Amino acid sequence: NAGVTQTPKFQVLKTGQSMTLQCAQDMNHNSMYWYRQDPGMGLRLIYYSASEGTTDKGEVPNGYNVSRLNKREFSLRLESAAPSQTSVYFCASSGSRGPGNTEAFFGQGTRLTVV
Amino acid sequence: QKEVEQDPGPLSVPEGAIVSLNCTYSNSAFQYFMWYRQYSRKGPELLMYTYSSGNKEDGRFTAQVDKSSKYISLFIRDSQPSDSATYLCAMKENAGGTSYGKLTFGQGTILTVHP
Repeated sequence: NAGVTQTPKFQVLKTGQSMTLQCAQDMNHNSMYWYRQDPGMGLRLIYYSASEGTTDKGEVPNGYNVSRLNKREFSLRLESAAPSQTSVYFCASSGSRGPGNTEAFFGQGTRLTVV
Repeated sequence: QKEVEQDPGPLSVPEGAIVSLNCTYSNSAFQYFMWYRQYSRKGPELLMYTYSSGNKEDGRFTAQVDKSSKYISLFIRDSQPSDSATYLCAMKENAGGTSYGKLTFGQGTILTVHP
């Protein structure tokens, strides 16, 4: 039972390089999210997709773009990486609408260093 | 001012101690309150969730929500070394709102339980 799978697990980029972080879930969830985690800042939402075909900005979207490729996959792209984007990135998914559905399932994270 | 404030610690306690973790928040629209546990170099996992005000108990863990004070707590009884992790509070607005599914996290508290 894979859950949420992120690739790659580690990456080092030079300033100005681009890359795409991949995320896939096998739980048939409608909603998917990208968060970044920095020391002392907790998890901050970058972008989310409430359902296939829709994406919206979160708290810290600048410098990022996303694509909801299909129901399973949600990618995060850094077009021109900056040292301020050094962070641990987490993808998450959650199920269908309903007041009882509060659980978000997280991937293992991608540790990105921009030098 | 962040919407959710959490003391980052670190908190170090002896095995068997009672641990109290707390968060305050400013957004009155938050209706769902969660605690996630994150082990080192892993993604967060849902530990407990509570809807609106009240208490919820699960084994050694008790979650409390006081909406009038905008204050939530997690208590861990008979703490064990295996409880050593980062604990993140998270909150969500009403499921019918436009921010459906988005979680707002506290900064996380690093807890160490030593034998």
